[in-house]
Amino acid sequence: KAGVTQTPRYLIKTRGQQVTLSCSPISGHRSVSWYQQTPGQGLQFLFEYFSETQKNKGNFPGRFSGRQFSNSRSEMNVSTLELGDSALYLCASSPRQGFDEQYFGPGTRLTVT
Amino acid sequence: AQTVTQSQPEMSVQEAETVTLSCTYDTSESDYYLFWYKQPPSRQMILVIRQEAYKQQNATENRFSVNFQKAAKSFSLKISDSQLGDAAMYFCAYRRNNAGNMLTFGGGTRLMVKP
Repeated sequence: KAGVTQTPRYLIKTRGQQVTLSCSPISGHRSVSWYQQTPGQGLQFLFEYFSETQKNKGNFPGRFSGRQFSNSRSEMNVSTLELGDSALYLCASSPRQGFDEQYFGPGTRLTVT
Repeated sequence: AQTVTQSQPEMSVQEAETVTLSCTYDTSESDYYLFWYKQPPSRQMILVIRQEAYKQQNATENRFSVNFQKAAKSFSLKISDSQLGDAAMYFCAYRRNNAGNMLTFGGGTRLMVKP
């Protein structure tokens, strides 16, 4: 089975722009979670989707949003980018909620200038 | 809110030796899961080992084992016979049961393995 894929892998944006990141989970996985990883704040949970519904949301401003499609692929969007949004954005999938293991993708490295 | 603390930002170990990484957590829940994840340089994060809070027996996966002290809210990872490929960032993580897949991570420990 193919692993979790994230596109693009690298992205450079300018402050004030918006960005959309994509995550394709492992085939058959219906739960997708997003995390932000920065040197200062570490790994922080953004949100979780299951069967196209947001199930959990982390403590991030409304500029961060996401969605999940019927094929379980997920996108996250960040509007009005700030320098502090520069981070590695990780996506993780699992077959269902409460599953023992989550499978992480390679991440999208976003740089905001 | 749950918090996870890893007090060792960096650790080093000689190849073939044993090393223990520390993790403490704070929660008012009684039903939860604890995990250790490994993130090698420029590679994907992978699960090393998991522990269900209701199980008293410590989890073991080959050279990796945990020391789970529920009352003390401590969850350390022991790596035996360390190998060069064990060099990575290690993250301790907490997940409340029946609350989806949301993980709360510690700050991480960078493990260096000396040949």
